[in-house]
Amino acid sequence: DAKTTQPPSMDCAEGRAANLPCNHSTISGNEYVYWYRQIHSQGPQYIIHGLKNNETNEMASLIITEDRKSSTLILPHATLRDTAVYYCIVRVPMDSNYQLIWGAGTKLIIKP
Amino acid sequence: NAGVTQTPKFRILKIGQSMTLQCTQDMNHNYMYWYRQDPGMGLKLIYYSVGAGITDKGEVPNGYNVSRSTTEDFPLRLELAAPSQTSVYFCASSYGQPNNSPLHFGNGTRLTVT
Repeated sequence: DAKTTQPPSMDCAEGRAANLPCNHSTISGNEYVYWYRQIHSQGPQYIIHGLKNNETNEMASLIITEDRKSSTLILPHATLRDTAVYYCIVRVPMDSNYQLIWGAGTKLIIKP
Repeated sequence: NAGVTQTPKFRILKIGQSMTLQCTQDMNHNYMYWYRQDPGMGLKLIYYSVGAGITDKGEVPNGYNVSRSTTEDFPLRLELAAPSQTSVYFCASSYGQPNNSPLHFGNGTRLTVT
């Protein structure tokens, strides 16, 4: 079972900031939060990850709450090409390793 | 760099047939993974490998086999295809453990078993 909770779908107007929430209330202290997106059934694409500090790269910003129980992915100026399913993921132990368990994600639709 | 390459892109199998889905990566990544994705769902881990000669089961390994004889290649074998294996299959690789290193995905193989 996924360790994260995301809304199933969201809309955002083109040119506006898209804010995608994620709850991960059972996250452990040393677990990163990862965000990926999947455009039109292509292979998922890495966006950003973080541990406790806010992070920013050329694609997005990641805001993690102080208690680390939730985070928000921000696409600052959404374009039509940002329409995709966005996955928020944390790891779970599997045998002697750790794996990412994927939920159903948030379907983000950017509207003109 | 080509990244992660999967072949074929599409395949239709009859029940009971077998096939191998090919995956190769040119990034010298140690970790490789096979996922399946059913419509409207997230990815489910089938098998993974932490290096050549080492493979481990994921969440849904039944009906599949893998091998990792080289760093570059990680083929997935279906021995007796069943309709429940109709899905899109994604291969991925990462430099280190998935919690510490981003995964790089191929573009998938769409498999239909009838």
